[in-house]
Amino acid sequence: NAGVTQTPKFRILKIGQSMTLQCTQDMNHNYMYWYRQDPGMGLKLIYYSVGAGITDKGEVPNGYNVSRSTTEDFPLRLELAAPSQTSVYFCASRAGGEVGELFFGEGSRLTVL
Amino acid sequence: AQRVTQPEKLLSVFKGAPVELKCNYSYSGSPELFWYVQYSRQRLQLLLRHISRESIKGFTADLNKGETSFHLKKPFAQEEDSAMYYCALSNYQLIWGAGTKLIIKP
Repeated sequence: NAGVTQTPKFRILKIGQSMTLQCTQDMNHNYMYWYRQDPGMGLKLIYYSVGAGITDKGEVPNGYNVSRSTTEDFPLRLELAAPSQTSVYFCASRAGGEVGELFFGEGSRLTVL
Repeated sequence: AQRVTQPEKLLSVFKGAPVELKCNYSYSGSPELFWYVQYSRQRLQLLLRHISRESIKGFTADLNKGETSFHLKKPFAQEEDSAMYYCALSNYQLIWGAGTKLIIKP
């Protein structure tokens, strides 16, 4: 099992560009999450999904979009990138049951210049 | 508002010394708390959860509702314990502390 796989690991964007962070999990988990982590801060929830076809906003959704067409994939779309979106992004998943047992990807470091 | 506070950004102790990573929380209900760890070049992973009252890699954490704390402790630090540690509170979603970087000096 690869677990949760995120791509790319690093990316530099120019202001106004768009990109998609990919996230795939092979554990058949229903729940998937996107977090961002800014320096010196805790993880902030951007979007989450409780199953294919169902997504919902987290704490900091502005500037992002997601889709969940399959159980495995949960891409995060950045439209019109801004310097404020410079951050490290983590995708995570979990099975049903306990909220706290998340499985994380390795993270994607995004810089917007 | 629900909040998790880890007051120390950095904690440095000598190998063999006791370690205590502090976590305080603000929550109106009955909390579920977790400690996550991220070793260098590894993924963030669950270390332990308060509900199971377990000891993982020699670490324990006790929920103190009176002091609203969930400190992570280990009696004798080892060099491989060097990592980032995050405390998290479950409220439908996880609410995260900012993390403490633990450095174990040889």
